[in-house]
Order: sequence, then C-alpha cells, then structure tokens
Amino acid sequence: SQQGEEDPQALSIQEGENATMNCSYKTSINNLQWYRQNSGRGLVHLILIRSNEREKHSGRLRVTLDTSKKSSSLLITASRAADTASYFCATGTGGGNKLTFGTGTQLKVEL
Amino acid sequence: GAVVSQHPSWVICKSGTSVKIECRSLDFQATTMFWYRQFPKQSLMLMATSNEGSKATYEQGVEKDKFLINHASLTLSTLTVTSAHPEDSSFYICSAPSDSGDNEQFFGPGTRLTVL
Repeated sequence: SQQGEEDPQALSIQEGENATMNCSYKTSINNLQWYRQNSGRGLVHLILIRSNEREKHSGRLRVTLDTSKKSSSLLITASRAADTASYFCATGTGGGNKLTFGTGTQLKVEL
Repeated sequence: GAVVSQHPSWVICKSGTSVKIECRSLDFQATTMFWYRQFPKQSLMLMATSNEGSKATYEQGVEKDKFLINHASLTLSTLTVTSAHPEDSSFYICSAPSDSGDNEQFFGPGTRLTVL
C-alpha cells in the first residue's frame, strides 16, 4: 500500500492549546495537501504545500514539509472547539490528479 | 471554492438490491471525478476514477461489475452498487479536481449506505 501514516491516531487537547499532527509518506510527490473531515461529512481542503516548499502558513495553520524525510506536519495554533475533526494528509504524484490519503488523526478540542 | 453535491445523503436498502449514488459538480465542469470508500474511523480509499466520455478506471481489488460508474456529462457521475450486501455498507465520497493543476480536490458531502 502507498498509503501514508499519520500520528498520532488521536489527540485530545484543551481549547487554546496548539495541536500538531505528523504525516509520513512513501513515494516522491509533487505536493502534499491537508484536509479536514467533520464527523460523517465530506472533506474540506485546508492547505497545499509543493515539493519545493518547506513551510507554509494559512491563518492558524502552519504546514512544514521535509522531502528528505518524506514527512510533513500540520500545526493548528490556539485551537478551538470547532477544530474538532479528523485531519488527513494527502499526496499527489505525477499526473492524473489522483490523491493518496494518510491514515488520519482524530483531533478533539475540549472546552 | 467549487461545490460538489451528492445524492442521496444516506440510504438504507435490503441485501440484493442495487443503489445508485449521484455526484454533481454544481458550478464547474469536471471531466474527471473520483469515488472513495471510507469505513468508520478509517481513511479514504480510492475506488475508481470516473472519466467523462470513456470507461472508468478502477483501483486494484475493486470489482468493476459490482461498482458501476457512469460519467454521463461534464457535471454528473454516478456510482451504482449492484446486488448490495451488508459488507458494502460504508461511506461513499466523490470528489472532483480543481483546474489549478495542483490536484486539489473538491469533495462531496458523502453518502452513507447501510445494507440490511
């Protein structure tokens, strides 16, 4: 399987704390994307980082990419209860627009 | 961003029946759409790539005769689960890629299928 691994599988934090999720993948990539999924819903695109980029920010999100280690991290700062969801990394390789998803991290932010 | 819809949101059916799920791009055209399957607390697994005007491309291990895909127009793809059985119960999600060239995808809200 080419599926990436994410850790932790589950994470529970208090509102206001930072949440960090890690993703490792197996093949060379063109880009890596992070998606959020609320329970029983579709996925929402959060951020994309290209293989020639090392860090990217979007609002409270910070993504890093280390292609030498085939890994990426997603940091959510000052978390809110509304951030409670599952987070997936996804890698795009070559053409055809196909994505390979990681195993996901279930984040719970408690009040 | 672009909007992708799915219908129905959920369906319960008896074993042996066929179920059709629709995926529509509402404000853009999609020559390609993707169908995923997701079991509880698991990741998305790509089932097939739906191509407008040609046959779908199935991932290894996915039965093409079991999961029929038809890309009828530039805004509609359908997945039909034929002779459904309880093990087909799952969350089915479709997506369509953006035209940005970065393969960012827009996802539908998903369809929960329960086969009794």
